[in-house]
Amino acid sequence: DAMVIQNPRYQVTQFGKPVTLSCSQTLNHNVMYWYQQKSSQAPKLLFHYYDKDFNNEADTPDNFQSRRPNTSFCFLDIRSPGLGDAAMYLCATSPGLAVVGTQYFGPGTRLLVL
Amino acid sequence: AQKVTQAQTEISVVEKEDVTLDCVYETRDTTYYLFWYKQPPSGELVFLIRRNSFDEQNEISGRYSWNFQKSTSSFNFTITASQVVDSAVYFCALSEGVRDSNYQLIWGAGTKLIIKP
Repeated sequence: DAMVIQNPRYQVTQFGKPVTLSCSQTLNHNVMYWYQQKSSQAPKLLFHYYDKDFNNEADTPDNFQSRRPNTSFCFLDIRSPGLGDAAMYLCATSPGLAVVGTQYFGPGTRLLVL
Repeated sequence: AQKVTQAQTEISVVEKEDVTLDCVYETRDTTYYLFWYKQPPSGELVFLIRRNSFDEQNEISGRYSWNFQKSTSSFNFTITASQVVDSAVYFCALSEGVRDSNYQLIWGAGTKLIIKP
């Protein structure tokens, strides 16, 4: 089945130690998103790609970076995780203009910072 | 300004009861899209429905139904004969038309639905 895959499902890192979360998709969608979701809150968009065009949200900390080497893969790099970065990180994809706004989500990676 | 309001923070009902989750939105666009997503305890956001602003027909899918009313800027979601597996956080979201590369969703705060056996 076509899907959005996130690895790992759970990630434990130490304060200040760089961590990379990965997302892959078999849907061949143009748009990929990274969200941060903290407990009892709505997802917060960090950035998105339309193909290789990168769009950073104005309030996304510089500590967060992203790479999209090809259509299928997207990575979230947290350069120096702080305790406040502990959250669920959700990757989503969208076909773009064809079906405006409909986003399909992966299962998420829950990040714990010690 | 665009905004989505889900006034119900948490709803608790007994299994088999009907329950309605409210969603009120604000937008200045004439073309927009409304969505409902379900987030069970496992964490994955599951797409339920997408409705465009030109289609005010109500939608029914099994035990789920959606009532879109432009006159009151509401897009409410009803679960009939609720089941324990319906327990989740439900998010309503808005996407405003097609503008350059605007593919973003504006999210409501979510409603936590608890179905008791």
